[in-house]
Amino acid sequence: QQPVQSPQAVILREGEDAVINCSSSKALYSVHWYRQKHGEAPIFLMILLKGGEQKGHDKISASFNEKKQQSSLYLTASQLSYSGTYFCGTTKNDYKLSFGAGTTVTVRA
Amino acid sequence: DAGVTQSPTHLIKTRGQQVTLRCSPKSGHDTVSWYQQALGQGPQFIFQYYEEEERQRGNFPDRFSGHQFPNYSSELNVNALLLGDSALYLCASSDPGQGPYEQYFGPGTRLTVT
Repeated sequence: QQPVQSPQAVILREGEDAVINCSSSKALYSVHWYRQKHGEAPIFLMILLKGGEQKGHDKISASFNEKKQQSSLYLTASQLSYSGTYFCGTTKNDYKLSFGAGTTVTVRA
Repeated sequence: DAGVTQSPTHLIKTRGQQVTLRCSPKSGHDTVSWYQQALGQGPQFIFQYYEEEERQRGNFPDRFSGHQFPNYSSELNVNALLLGDSALYLCASSDPGQGPYEQYFGPGTRLTVT
């Protein structure tokens, strides 16, 4: 069961903030966030585990609402380097990482 | 410290042919997962290998098979290629000691089936 991401795309000016949402209809064990630039491999940003432990990028934050099976990724004071497609991936305490369709972020000067 | 490497970078095959893709995990990682990423979509989990065994499989037909070697490197084999198999194939490695699911991706192999 793939998670659902929203919005599909967002355009920002440098310094603006954005929120990307990820939701699942199934109980989740962990939520993973990756960023992929065109023609490149996805880069790990953040992992949020059931129970509240969070590990990842110090310039981008995220939250995980276990009751609602939702996660949000917060891009604060965006930089040009934040441009790319953001994917959330989810697991149900197994080894299969299911990815959403992605959110394309464009940051303009 | 080399990251995840994959070969070849690009590949063009004809329908019905067979293909083998290769992956070397990041140093210290013993788990390899394979994903298929169609254009404009998120990666789709194919399977994961650990200790030379397939540990979990996604919703892919038996035409997709794999192998993991004692040095933790891995191969993905696809038989009887279809046009719909055209995609970017990504390999990701992880180290259970860093958390069970923190995965590092390779640059991928772009497969085109004509």
